[in-house]
Amino acid sequence: AQSVTQPDIHITVSEGASLELRCNYSYGATPYLFWYVQSPGQGLQLLLKYFSGDTLVQGIKGFEAEFKRSQSSFNLRKPSVHWSDAAEYFCAVGAAQAGTALIFGKGTTLSVSS
Amino acid sequence: EAGVTQFPSHSVIEKGQTVTLRCDPISGHDNLYWYRRVMGKEIKFLLHFVKESKQDESGMPNNRFLAERTGGTYSTLKVQPAELEDSGVYFCASRGHGTGKQTQYFGPGTRLLVL
Repeated sequence: AQSVTQPDIHITVSEGASLELRCNYSYGATPYLFWYVQSPGQGLQLLLKYFSGDTLVQGIKGFEAEFKRSQSSFNLRKPSVHWSDAAEYFCAVGAAQAGTALIFGKGTTLSVSS
Repeated sequence: EAGVTQFPSHSVIEKGQTVTLRCDPISGHDNLYWYRRVMGKEIKFLLHFVKESKQDESGMPNNRFLAERTGGTYSTLKVQPAELEDSGVYFCASRGHGTGKQTQYFGPGTRLLVL
C-alpha cells in the first residue's frame, strides 16, 4: 500500500537548536516528494520538493531535505530554528506521472521554546 | 499573482443541512484538486479536475458529495445532506499544465463543522 509515515506527532525544540523531521514513504512508482508547512490560520505552503537529481534539496526559510532512496526517507532539516517556525509540517509523495494525487503523512507539529 | 483562494474560511452547519464550498485556483491552472483532513487524520485526496472534466474522483467518500467546475475556472464542492463525520478542513489545490509543473499549490482551506 502507498503511504507516508511521519513518526513524530509533536516535537519541541529550543530556539536556535537544530531540527530534523522524519518522513518515510512506501510508493510503488518513482516518487516525487514534498514538504508543506501550515502555520496557524494559514494554508499549506510548499517548503521544498524533490523530483530528481541532487538528493539534497534546498527550500524556503532555510529548510533542506535529503532524499535517501535506500531508506525510503525524505527527512526535513533546519540548522537553527526560529520561533516563527512553529507550525505543522506535512510530508507528501506523488507519482512522477503528472496529475496524480498526493499522499500525505499525518503531520508533525513543531513547537519552539525560548 | 494571486494564490488559490477558498470560501468560506469557516462554516458551521447542522446535520442534514447543505453546504457549498468554493475554490478559485491560480489563474491559468488547468488542474484543480480537492483534499480533506478529518481531525487527527492525514490529508486525503477527494478528486481531481482537468479543466472542467473530472479526471479522478476515486477519493469522494459517497454520493452526498458533488463537485463541479463549470467553465474550467472555479470549483464548488457541495455536501448534501451533511453528516457529523463530514467535519474537517477541506483544501483545494491547483497545478499548471505541462512538464515540470508537478507542484500543487494549496489554498488556506475551509474549516467545516457539522453539529
